[in-house]
Amino acid sequence: GAGVSQTPSNKVTEKGKYVELRCDPISGHTALYWYRQSLGQGPEFLIYFQGTGAADDSGLPNDRFFAVRPEGSVSTLKIQRTERGDSAVYLCASSTGLEGDTQYFGPGTRLTVL
Amino acid sequence: AQTVTQSQPEMSVQEAETVTLSCTYDTSENNYYLFWYKQPPSRQMILVIRQEAYKQQNATENRFSVNFQKAAKSFSLKISDSQLGDTAMYFCAFMSTFQKLVFGQGTRLTINP
Repeated sequence: GAGVSQTPSNKVTEKGKYVELRCDPISGHTALYWYRQSLGQGPEFLIYFQGTGAADDSGLPNDRFFAVRPEGSVSTLKIQRTERGDSAVYLCASSTGLEGDTQYFGPGTRLTVL
Repeated sequence: AQTVTQSQPEMSVQEAETVTLSCTYDTSENNYYLFWYKQPPSRQMILVIRQEAYKQQNATENRFSVNFQKAAKSFSLKISDSQLGDTAMYFCAFMSTFQKLVFGQGTRLTINP
């Protein structure tokens, strides 16, 4: 079946602008995760959804970052008033939600803030 | 908080050789899961192998195997008969019962022809 998809693949924006990044998980996966990967680093956890609700948003760096998953499938990561330090690859993953189950990743969105 | 350490930023071997990537982690939990992911230049993280901490038997997947030492909190990845397509960044990751993955800094592996 289809894997995790993310759009856009690349996004270039100007400092102060608002951006939305979309993630479409594997069909039937109830758990969805967002990670941020800076250049040369491992991914860092941002937020985890179980169904429609955020089960853990402890990784969101500040209140400029917000994510939703209104119907328990597609998720959107929203960043307000972007800063140059937000430039990174944003990765989305999904899983069955069972404890310890493998997370399957999408190809990521590379965000560049000029 | 859990931490994952990969002490080898880069490694390079010849095709067909065996290579071992190191990973150590720190946790006070007894039940957890460990993963190795591969990230080629395409950016997509691909699962290589998964280990459940309560299982003593080391996981294997074809040419990939792990050496899991729970007491030492060590989880190394061995790649046998390495191939050019194995060239990638490799990340070790820890997952507790809280589901989020904690990643190491990665090891850049190059397989030379």
